[in-house]
Amino acid sequence: QITLKESGPTLVKPTQTLTVTCSFSGFSLSTSGVGVAWVRQRPGKALEWLALYYWNDDKHYSPSLESRLTITKETSKNQVVLTLTNLDPVDTATYYCAQRSKNGYNFWGQGTLVTVSS
Amino acid sequence: EIVLTQSPGTLSLSPGERATLSCRASQRVGSSYLAWYQQKPGQAPRLLIYAASSRATGIPDRFSGSGSGTDFTLTINRLEPEDFAVYYCQQYGTSPQTFGQGTKVEI
Repeated sequence: QITLKESGPTLVKPTQTLTVTCSFSGFSLSTSGVGVAWVRQRPGKALEWLALYYWNDDKHYSPSLESRLTITKETSKNQVVLTLTNLDPVDTATYYCAQRSKNGYNFWGQGTLVTVSS
Repeated sequence: EIVLTQSPGTLSLSPGERATLSCRASQRVGSSYLAWYQQKPGQAPRLLIYAASSRATGIPDRFSGSGSGTDFTLTINRLEPEDFAVYYCQQYGTSPQTFGQGTKVEI
């Protein structure tokens, strides 16, 4: 059974750095073609793809946010961590992680709502 | 970056009718790595279709996907009350693995 779960702060101040963690089980991030992606959704808005960590340690980022994003893997803990620097209120969103395979993003976490406010 | 444009923005239909949703890509989507998701309020997206036309596990056969290259379609036959939601297309073959802006199917 594949599961993913996001964790992190619910409230962050502007200019601070957000760190959200995706803890997953039921699959290996070493399997060819598999990745863990981060996707966010601002209130009332569309899904926005942020970053992806691939089985071969390749990392991909949204061009518009690349300078502020870092995605890393904690192999021993089955976790993928996303950091977003220099937060602004427009970064207020629900942050989702999802498993990427050749069959799409079939498994998603429940999402974690992060509010950026002073 | 591949830009996905979905149309229409909103589709107003009744239960039992057919919904036809369009997704157009700014560049060819390689290997038909095109997926469709359904999202209801307060929930994570749910994968419906992958590889343009393959139904994900447990998805009813009233959902079907078609298309290739730059033009893709999601068809929902005989709308059920639980099908009223927002639908997103996504290309997951080339990073950034972009989403469309969504189509809301409303009663």
